[in-house]
Amino acid sequence: ETGVTQSPTHLIKTRGQQVTLRCSSQSGHNTVSWYQQALGQGPQFIFQYYREEENGRGNFPPRFSGLQFPNYSSELNVNALELDDSALYLCATGGGLAGYQETQYFGPGTRLLVL
Amino acid sequence: KQEVTQIPAALSVPEGENLVLNCSFTDSAIYNLQWFRQDPGKGLTSLLLIQSSQREQTSGRLNASLDKSSGRSTLYIAASQPGDSATYLCAVRDSGNTPLVFGKGTRLSVIA
Repeated sequence: ETGVTQSPTHLIKTRGQQVTLRCSSQSGHNTVSWYQQALGQGPQFIFQYYREEENGRGNFPPRFSGLQFPNYSSELNVNALELDDSALYLCATGGGLAGYQETQYFGPGTRLLVL
Repeated sequence: KQEVTQIPAALSVPEGENLVLNCSFTDSAIYNLQWFRQDPGKGLTSLLLIQSSQREQTSGRLNASLDKSSGRSTLYIAASQPGDSATYLCAVRDSGNTPLVFGKGTRLSVIA
């Protein structure tokens, strides 16, 4: 039990739709990262937020966007869904000065299926 | 660009065996390395974290070693049990505020 929760657990969408995924972190964790994990692959970094500002982004197009709120919860938004967006989406939180992190704590993930 | 490779991709062993999972990374200037466990369709559970200045970490039946100069880490599991069946992921962080870079994982099956 990491104290990181994600909602919803599963989601089915059709191509072209938009989706919002949510993550709530442990108290005091001021950094949140989002990862995409396709079947049989390791997680791939999407972006990271530190104190409500994006401070790192992986190789994902602008239709992947995010928010971090003052209580450090976070959203991942994906517009114009494509079939290849089908994956497990993981959020991970950590704490520390200037976003420096030691262990990251992962949530259980949201399984997204795009038809 | 950091790349992480895990060998083997899959492993099946009888219960009670000791086993070693391997992880290699291309850029040896890492901040830390972390081993995770992932059960099917689930999130990641952190097993062990090794800082760049450390050589190994132990937790129960698990022991992880780090050789930065050669770009390698191993996860040793002693006296394996069916409950150890899962995918084991290795991830490195190049600096304190950069993201984790993951390997594809080793899928372990321990047969009773």
